[in-house]
Amino acid sequence: GAVVSQHPSRVICKSGTSVKIECRSLDFQATTMFWYRQFPKQSLMLMATSNEGSKATYEQGVEKDKFLINHASLTLSTLTVTSAHPEDSSFYICSARANSANEKLFFGSGTQLSVL
Amino acid sequence: GESVGLHLPTLSVQEGDNSIINCAYSNSASDYFIWYKQESGKGPQFIIDIRSNMDKRQGQRVTVLLNKTVKHLSLQIAATQPGDSAVYFCAENGGSQGNLIFGKGTKLSVKP
Repeated sequence: GAVVSQHPSRVICKSGTSVKIECRSLDFQATTMFWYRQFPKQSLMLMATSNEGSKATYEQGVEKDKFLINHASLTLSTLTVTSAHPEDSSFYICSARANSANEKLFFGSGTQLSVL
Repeated sequence: GESVGLHLPTLSVQEGDNSIINCAYSNSASDYFIWYKQESGKGPQFIIDIRSNMDKRQGQRVTVLLNKTVKHLSLQIAATQPGDSAVYFCAENGGSQGNLIFGKGTKLSVKP
């Protein structure tokens, strides 16, 4: 089956620093990637949708200048949490879709971000 | 039995029993539904899916039932095993960006 690799799996950083999370589709080209955030004991909430070569679409309440998304190629999307604060501590999960006709999404293994 | 915690309902079952996890979905226009299993610290793992032109679909030890009239999905796990302990989410394809919308999730605990 299709594989999505997400890295790093866990990161601890100081408040005010920036953290970059990578999401790669290993055996297919992902025209669309989705970034979700999950707080403890809660469901996955969509943060933004990125399409290769275009600007990401952010959900209401998600600051685009704080959560920078780059989808420069068909196999790589990155999420950068800029000037991270403790309230940004969360589990971030990416997912990828091969094309608009294929609804099945494949998920990365997630990144646990802890901001001290 | 089933209980509702602060955010996550919990279902506790005995090993070997059948489990039924329920989900209410939100968008009547959704036509594709998936059940995911999520273990602690990991991403969601695909279990089974169903399209809206079906009422029931069976996999290995799992069955998904869809009731479009009341916008309800259920996941049945036969002969539940300790390895089935996880949080289970239903998802629908009704997102405006082509994204999946996830339900609240249910934590399944299997007692040996």
